[in-house]
Amino acid sequence: QKEVEQDPGPLSVPEGAIVSLNCTYSNSAFQYFMWYRQYSRKGPELLMYTYSSGNKEDGRFTAQVDKSSKYISLFIRDSQPSDSATYLCAMSPAGLGDKIIFGKGTRLHILP
Amino acid sequence: DADVTQTPRNRITKTGKRIMLECSQTKGHDRMYWYRQDPGLGLRLIYYSFDVKDINKGEISDGYSVSRQAQAKFSLSLESAIPNQTALYFCATSTGGNEQFFGPGTRLTVL
Repeated sequence: QKEVEQDPGPLSVPEGAIVSLNCTYSNSAFQYFMWYRQYSRKGPELLMYTYSSGNKEDGRFTAQVDKSSKYISLFIRDSQPSDSATYLCAMSPAGLGDKIIFGKGTRLHILP
Repeated sequence: DADVTQTPRNRITKTGKRIMLECSQTKGHDRMYWYRQDPGLGLRLIYYSFDVKDINKGEISDGYSVSRQAQAKFSLSLESAIPNQTALYFCATSTGGNEQFFGPGTRLTVL
């Protein structure tokens, strides 16, 4: 079993829909959970990060971590065509910011 | 101006050739990283450096070498390129926290 599993998609949804992106992981040492967004022909950019369990909201984006299930989610409300990108989950053990493990990424298409 | 730059942006080369990919940053970060990204495999760490005198192997360092010429410059070399090194290569920087800042990538094709 890989440390981080993420469905590569592609996922296509109509504009305005709620999008749910998910990752599962196997290493219980992970404490920091991140979502990076990567547009075509660009490098990944950090979108959100959370520490341990719980929710974090930033505008239309909500990151959710369930450590008991080893499951993290990113929700996008009122999705826009500009949200079309690849979303990579990433995680690391506490205090070891260099040991970041990335998921494979999910390609998301928002249809106008 | 971009904070993390990579040159070249695209490169096509032949099997057996030596290739160098260069990364420069103006963010003042001590830590720099090289990743490769392959379809279906995601981002994998090749090498990372905490400062000019510190170089560390990542998950997939075989066939690669690096040089940290200055705080702002980190180069990746393929001594004898092979076709399965065809990939998208990213340089990244960080302060040591969980956010890494990525360059725009170099698309390398080895024929």
